[in-house]
Amino acid sequence: DTGVSQDPRHKITKRGQNVTFRCDPISEHNRLYWYRQTLGQGPEFLTYFQNEAQLEKSRLLSDRFSAERPKGSFSTLEIQRTEQGDSAMYLCASRPLAGESYNEQFFGPGTRLTVL
Amino acid sequence: AQSVSQHNHHVILSEAASLELGCNYSYGGTVNLFWYVQYPGQHLQLLLKYFSGDPLVKGIKGFEAEFIKSKFSFNLRKPSVQWSDTAEYFCAVNTNAGKSTFGDGTTLTVKP
Repeated sequence: DTGVSQDPRHKITKRGQNVTFRCDPISEHNRLYWYRQTLGQGPEFLTYFQNEAQLEKSRLLSDRFSAERPKGSFSTLEIQRTEQGDSAMYLCASRPLAGESYNEQFFGPGTRLTVL
Repeated sequence: AQSVSQHNHHVILSEAASLELGCNYSYGGTVNLFWYVQYPGQHLQLLLKYFSGDPLVKGIKGFEAEFIKSKFSFNLRKPSVQWSDTAEYFCAVNTNAGKSTFGDGTTLTVKP
């Protein structure tokens, strides 16, 4: 399967703990995006990378959130000192810089986070 | 900044009824437009997309959408819905530069 993969698919944690999610984009896709989706809403943009450079961060991304893409391939999203309001589905998407689908984002299955 | 508005939060139809879901966006420049579907317990799937050219685009599963630039709209249509179309539908826009902006979604329930 050459689609976007995310790990883990589900994460349950206690308030105050740190969590880290991983996203593996489609190979050769230069751009990688993180979104958050809460119940009853559409995905909201968090941040995106072009290769290893983080080019934009939403104001939704508080200082407890950090994302990296150290080698321009996979990316991690870490949430420190989790709060119940962080409970959501975290989606990753990737996008090529050229070619027929260069305007399209390809989404992964998401990581569902539940903070108790 | 981009924004997307989906007017119908929940639509209930009987099988074989026609469907039209509204989507309006706000952005001053060139946009790319998308409709995604999310079946219960599954991830986002692309239904159709518009980048340029013919404003009437056809997607998978018999869905189509029409881009009306003067109205900033990209409404989704299907002439005859099936029970299996029960899902949540999201309209989204992005620019050539990057991120997508999504509407809040429309939940479609099709009664058999």
